[in-house]
Amino acid sequence: QQQVKQSPQSLIVQKGGISIINCAYENTAFDYFPWYQQFPGKGPALLIAIRPDVSEKKEGRFTISFNKSAKQFSLHIMDSQPGDSATYFCAASRGGAGSYQLTFGKGTKLSVIP
Amino acid sequence: DVKVTQSSRYLVKRTGEKVFLECVQDMDHENMFWYRQDPGLGLRLIYFSYDVKMKEKGDIPEGYSVSREKKERFSLILESASTNQTSMYLCASSPGGTGNIQYFGAGTRLSVL
Repeated sequence: QQQVKQSPQSLIVQKGGISIINCAYENTAFDYFPWYQQFPGKGPALLIAIRPDVSEKKEGRFTISFNKSAKQFSLHIMDSQPGDSATYFCAASRGGAGSYQLTFGKGTKLSVIP
Repeated sequence: DVKVTQSSRYLVKRTGEKVFLECVQDMDHENMFWYRQDPGLGLRLIYFSYDVKMKEKGDIPEGYSVSREKKERFSLILESASTNQTSMYLCASSPGGTGNIQYFGAGTRLSVL
């Protein structure tokens, strides 16, 4: 059972456009939702994260929108640049025992074309 | 800067060989993880460890074992490598507590022939 569903699998956006990646989760015990960015040949690295007590978090051109009732969260990349081309993973973890484990989505390969 | 170092970037092994993948972190983190990454399947947790000599199975532990004799080192062992274990293997570490950042190594691309 996949607990975090991510879409789309791949995305092509023109430079300057908005990239949007969506994730949905099933486990209502999840209370931490990070996004990881992975460039070719590198390991994933934390990009931005949110907790369900806020509906939006913005860091520079990157914004997470969170909808607790729908059990969905999304990553928006404003003014997308070729340097943003990477694979993006959403993830979720729950509180309590085992809270250090992350459940990852399957990833979205973003290509930003000039 | 947190550094998670995986001993090999590329590894080629034969079917049936015993394979050791090594990972070292330099931030005194309690938790360490082994994932495999396959196209279209994302990151899948193989094993994790929350303390020295402690280990827990992840989602896909079959065919793998782990060892954590020292806090900074976490080893993944393929007892008898098979072709379906050809994959990218990622090690990560995180400090204790909830919702902590996981820091990843650059990965080891293993090919089993």
